[in-house]
Amino acid sequence: KAGVTQTPRYLIKTRGQQVTLSCSPISGHRSVSWYQQTPGQGLQFLFEYFSETQRNKGNFPGRFSGRQFSNSRSEMNVSTLELGDSALYLCASSLRPPGTANEKLFFGSGTQLSVL
Amino acid sequence: GENVEQHPSTLSVQEGDSAVIKCTYSDSASNYFPWYKQELGKRPQLIIDIRSNVGEKKDQRIAVTLNKTAKHFSLHITETQPEDSAVYFCAAITFNFGNEKLTFGTGTRLTIIP
Repeated sequence: KAGVTQTPRYLIKTRGQQVTLSCSPISGHRSVSWYQQTPGQGLQFLFEYFSETQRNKGNFPGRFSGRQFSNSRSEMNVSTLELGDSALYLCASSLRPPGTANEKLFFGSGTQLSVL
Repeated sequence: GENVEQHPSTLSVQEGDSAVIKCTYSDSASNYFPWYKQELGKRPQLIIDIRSNVGEKKDQRIAVTLNKTAKHFSLHITETQPEDSAVYFCAAITFNFGNEKLTFGTGTRLTIIP
């Protein structure tokens, strides 16, 4: 069974550009959540989707958006990139929403975004 | 909203000794507390979890304890080994008008000194 796949693995952009990251969950998983990871900041929650609906959203500016498709694949978009957006972006999939007790999250390897 | 605090942010332990990482949460309704381990350059993986109706859970060298009254839970690693070196994240379910979500702590970088 294939794991969670994130593409691309690395990305270099310049300030002001926009970027789209992709996450393919484990087959059968309907929930995808996104996290930003920076040194010292842990896993900061971006948003969470279940069956194409956004269930929760973190405290990030409107430049960060996402969506989920009918096949459960999810994309995350960041517009007008800033230097501070440089980070590892992780997605995780699960059968049920992450807020369900005993629900295990399966993480992807992440997309390392560098903004110059 | 829920706040999950994790301490310490870094921890160095001699190989063979024990390591303890503590987390506190603010929402008394939280009922599920998982721990994830992220080795260098790898993805986070679930290592152990505990439900609010249990005070302690063990799995070989790792254990988690929960004090609901004080709203804190801890990860205990005994007889530490080099492969225990990693960043550990605690998490708690938080409630948001029916859309429960998982809130992570800021992580603890554990280094095992040979």
